[in-house]
Amino acid sequence: NAGVTQTPKFQVLKTGQSMTLQCAQDMNHEYMSWYRQDPGMGLRLIHYSVGAGITDQGEVPNGYNVSRSTTEDFPLRLLSAAPSQTSVYFCASSSDRASSYEQYFGPGTRLTVT
Amino acid sequence: AQSVTQLGSHVSVSEGALVLLRCNYSSSVPPYLFWYVQYPNQGLQLLLKYTSAATLVKGINGFEAEFKKSETSFHLTKPSAHMSDAAEYFCAVRWGSGNTGKLIFGQGTTLQVKP
Repeated sequence: NAGVTQTPKFQVLKTGQSMTLQCAQDMNHEYMSWYRQDPGMGLRLIHYSVGAGITDQGEVPNGYNVSRSTTEDFPLRLLSAAPSQTSVYFCASSSDRASSYEQYFGPGTRLTVT
Repeated sequence: AQSVTQLGSHVSVSEGALVLLRCNYSSSVPPYLFWYVQYPNQGLQLLLKYTSAATLVKGINGFEAEFKKSETSFHLTKPSAHMSDAAEYFCAVRWGSGNTGKLIFGQGTTLQVKP
């Protein structure tokens, strides 16, 4: 199993540009989520999904869109990048079937918006 | 609102000394508690988890944590620090079960180990 994969690892955007961060998992997990990590603030939940076709907002959803057309993929879209979105982004997945709710994290995408 | 608080953003210990990283949460009944570790430029790795079984939980790399409901705490300990333990540690709590559950993270504690 590859686990949770994220692409790209690094990205630099100019203000106003849009892009999609990719996330995929091969563990057949129904639950997937996106977090951003900023110094001194831990990880904050952006959006999450409890299954294909179902998404919901987390703590900091503004400026981001998600969709979940398949179990495996959960892309995060930045509609119009802003310097405040400079951060490290982590995708995670988990399964309630395991009854432990442990989340498995991808390696992260480091995004800089200039 | 539900919250997780890690006391101390930076903790420094000498090699061989006791490691104690503190975590408190806002509700008296959290179903699931976790500690994750993040090494520089890497993702998060699960250290240990509490899932309503034994209150003293053992994890990887010699770490353990004790769930204390009366104190709403889940502190992480290791008897003897090693240089390789230097990393950032996150406490996380999941409230709600099934499809409503969300993971809330503390702010993180950076552990420095001095030779």
